[in-house]
Amino acid sequence: GEDVEQSLFLSVREGDSSVINCTYTDSSSTYLYWYKQEPGAGLQLLTYIFSNMDMKQDQRLTVLLNKKDKHLSLRIADTQTGDSAIYFCAERGTSYGKLTFGQGTILTVHP
Amino acid sequence: DGGITQSPKYLFRKEGQNVTLSCEQNLNHDAMYWYRQDPGQGLRLIYYSQIVNDFQKGDIAEGYSVSREKKESFPLTVTSAQKNPTAFYLCASSPEGPGVGEQFFGPGTRLTVL
Repeated sequence: GEDVEQSLFLSVREGDSSVINCTYTDSSSTYLYWYKQEPGAGLQLLTYIFSNMDMKQDQRLTVLLNKKDKHLSLRIADTQTGDSAIYFCAERGTSYGKLTFGQGTILTVHP
Repeated sequence: DGGITQSPKYLFRKEGQNVTLSCEQNLNHDAMYWYRQDPGQGLRLIYYSQIVNDFQKGDIAEGYSVSREKKESFPLTVTSAQKNPTAFYLCASSPEGPGVGEQFFGPGTRLTVL
């Protein structure tokens, strides 16, 4: 079945860039997503990318997709303490609606 | 205000008791989902429903049950057969069919078994 992998922890200094990485196995993925979860809350969609794109930029966020290697990354420029959260990568295959999530990366931003 | 509501936010139950978690959405979405979240394990799909009066088991359905009698409501019952029910439960919804297909999440219910 589909599998999505992320590293569990990332620690950065305020003002630096953060890069969160994700790998997936489903070659039929149509959309890939990045969600953010703050403590004790639900998930909030940050951005998404369609599988025929290789880059998408949205303000401080840059998503890179290497479809050949099945690798997705999220870069956050000028990381702030308010960016501290869990970040989930998710992918959707050909089945409408169902998403497969990674384990989540806990981002800690130090002043 | 469109969105998904879950209640209660915190729930305590004694071993051997069934408990029902509420999920309501006013986004007019056809599909709804229940996930369980444990530390370091991401989100695991319990049940999902693509249309009223129909639902399918996800990856970890044992010990859980659902119903989908109305489009806007998808309650989850955690039964006494669930061996380790203490977790954070998230409900989500999405529009069906082609398109971006992102899921919208509720704020979650934290269930603790005493």
